[in-house]
Amino acid sequence: GAGVSQSPSNKVTEKGKDVELRCDPISGHTALYWYRQSLGQGLEFLIYFQGNSAPDKSGLPSDRFSAERTGGSVSTLTIQRTQQEDSAVYLCASSAQRDTASDFGAGTRLSVL
Amino acid sequence: QKEVEQNSGPLSVPEGAIASLNCTYSDRVSQSFFWYRQYSGKSPELIMSIYSNGDKEDGRFTAQLNKASQYVSLLIRDSQPSDSATYLCAVKVGNQFYFGKGTSLTVFP
Repeated sequence: GAGVSQSPSNKVTEKGKDVELRCDPISGHTALYWYRQSLGQGLEFLIYFQGNSAPDKSGLPSDRFSAERTGGSVSTLTIQRTQQEDSAVYLCASSAQRDTASDFGAGTRLSVL
Repeated sequence: QKEVEQNSGPLSVPEGAIASLNCTYSDRVSQSFFWYRQYSGKSPELIMSIYSNGDKEDGRFTAQLNKASQYVSLLIRDSQPSDSATYLCAVKVGNQFYFGKGTSLTVFP
């Protein structure tokens, strides 16, 4: 079946612009996660959605970052007034049940010039 | 604060050898444990999951879990150059994943 789909695969933007990154999880997966990975670094947790519950936003680095998940499926991560330090690969993952692993999308590589 | 610790490496082993990757975690209620492999420039892919104490084997990979010691490891037998990647340990508590920073493995011919 289809895996986790992310778009765009690459995004180049100018400092100060807003960007939207999209994640389409695996059908039926109730949990959705956003991570950020800078070059050569580990995964940095950003936000987590579980069903219709309030999201866990504890990893968002600043109020310029926000995310939505509509209808329990597609999610959008928005970064306002982008800064050069926002440049990274943004990874989305989804998970089906309590004890199962998460499947990752291919990521969006964001470059802020 | 839930922490997952891995040796950052790099770990370098010759082709055909056993590569041993280690991970410790701080949260005693953790119940699900995963190993992901991440090739350079790619996203993580799941290679092993383990839920019970003991060993779990899948081909050349063996995961070992010791909940009392809060320790999970991954052994790669007959290492191949294609195994060269960063290996991420992940611990799941409830529905939240906690990842280690990864161990870089290089298998040289």
